[in-house]
Amino acid sequence: AQKITQTQPGMFVQEKEAVTLDCTYDTSDQSYGLFWYKQPSSGEMIFLIYQGSYDEQNATEGRYSLNFQKARKSANLVISASQLGDSAMYFCAMRGMDSSYKLIFGSGTRLLVRP
Amino acid sequence: DTGVSQDPRHKITKRGQNVTFRCDPISEHNRLYWYRQTLGQGPEFLTYFQNEAQLEKSRLLSDRFSAERPKGSFSTLEIQRTEQGDSAMYLCASIPGLAETGELFFGEGSRLTVL
Repeated sequence: AQKITQTQPGMFVQEKEAVTLDCTYDTSDQSYGLFWYKQPSSGEMIFLIYQGSYDEQNATEGRYSLNFQKARKSANLVISASQLGDSAMYFCAMRGMDSSYKLIFGSGTRLLVRP
Repeated sequence: DTGVSQDPRHKITKRGQNVTFRCDPISEHNRLYWYRQTLGQGPEFLTYFQNEAQLEKSRLLSDRFSAERPKGSFSTLEIQRTEQGDSAMYLCASIPGLAETGELFFGEGSRLTVL
């Protein structure tokens, strides 16, 4: 069975600073994908970044980077130069090898960016 | 190209009533997913369709829940004899058949409140 653990219910960060949101995962699959989504108060889940289990380099998308440590089964999200608009819920998710493409989500971290 | 749309966005109902939610996926996305998200939790997988075929149902999907995608385009999720525990956000997502990373494209959700 697959499992995603996010141990930080809430985080604060000062505007323009960097912040790391933690995510650990558990799976017996050899091939899998890891995702981060942002959910603002409007409710929509916004895709941020993806990391494949066989990707050797950490994924980056603009101000978002994924710190992938396969041996530790961690996939932390780093947001650089935080902006007020980054205040939201952040969810880590994974997809296994089955053909369904369904994602399993963690419980999320609420990020508040202080001006 | 429009995104995933869900209707209604908000629904308040009394316990015991039936409710139906509709999801219109991104055109030509042949896979469609329903998730449920309760307050303070991550989305939980309910079911998914490939075209009109319902290929997987979670144990969370009790016999009071039924989902359809009759023509392989829009989908409906019906909850019969609603209970207060059904209060949640119901999220719909879609994905094209050949998806490189497998990111799901989510709608803004339908929030259900059962009184």
